[in-house]
Amino acid sequence: GAVVSQHPSRVICKSGTSVKIECRSLDFQATTMFWYRQFPKQSLMLMATSNEGSKATYEQGVEKDKFLINHASLTLSTLTVTSAHPEDSSFYICSARDPGQGQETQYFGPGTRLLVL
Amino acid sequence: AQSVSQHNHHVILSEAASLELGCNYSYGGTVNLFWYVQYPGQHLQLLLKYFSGDPLVKGIKGFEAEFIKSKFSFNLRKPSVQWSDTAEYFCAVTPDTGRRALTFGSGTRLQVQP
Repeated sequence: GAVVSQHPSRVICKSGTSVKIECRSLDFQATTMFWYRQFPKQSLMLMATSNEGSKATYEQGVEKDKFLINHASLTLSTLTVTSAHPEDSSFYICSARDPGQGQETQYFGPGTRLLVL
Repeated sequence: AQSVSQHNHHVILSEAASLELGCNYSYGGTVNLFWYVQYPGQHLQLLLKYFSGDPLVKGIKGFEAEFIKSKFSFNLRKPSVQWSDTAEYFCAVTPDTGRRALTFGSGTRLQVQP
């Protein structure tokens, strides 16, 4: 199946700093990528939809100024957690839709574990 | 907006036992349905999906699921589980239109004892 990578796999930062997470589709071009957040022992919650060449669509309750999303190319979307605080500590997962597999199929990255001290 | 319910939060089975995990969704229109699996320390993998056609779909590793439209259900089944099936299982749904973003259920943790 299609491969999606995320970098870094884990990051520890101090409160107040910003952290950038990259999501790449390795063997296909993804016009749409999604960013999810997963709390321990809970399900994935959609944060935003990242569209190549246009602004991201954020879910209700997600601060767009806090979680900056940039989808600069067909294979790369970035999520920047700005001025991170301990409550932002979580597991962030991206997914990418492979148009060649139909509009409905998404492939997930391995996730990025963020710990804010 | 759509929602997904998984009523079994934690299931413990012995090897060779049969498995059925429940999944119900609510949405007024046409949906696409998925089951994903997350093995310990690994990323989400697609087990199977239903878009249209035969409501009984077969996926990888011997899993299957049946879409029952009248019950808004998409239960996952496997006739004989193995220890390697120990994982977290997520049911998910997308509307058949629009952004097609996935809405996930809360997940079911399956523990298979040897």
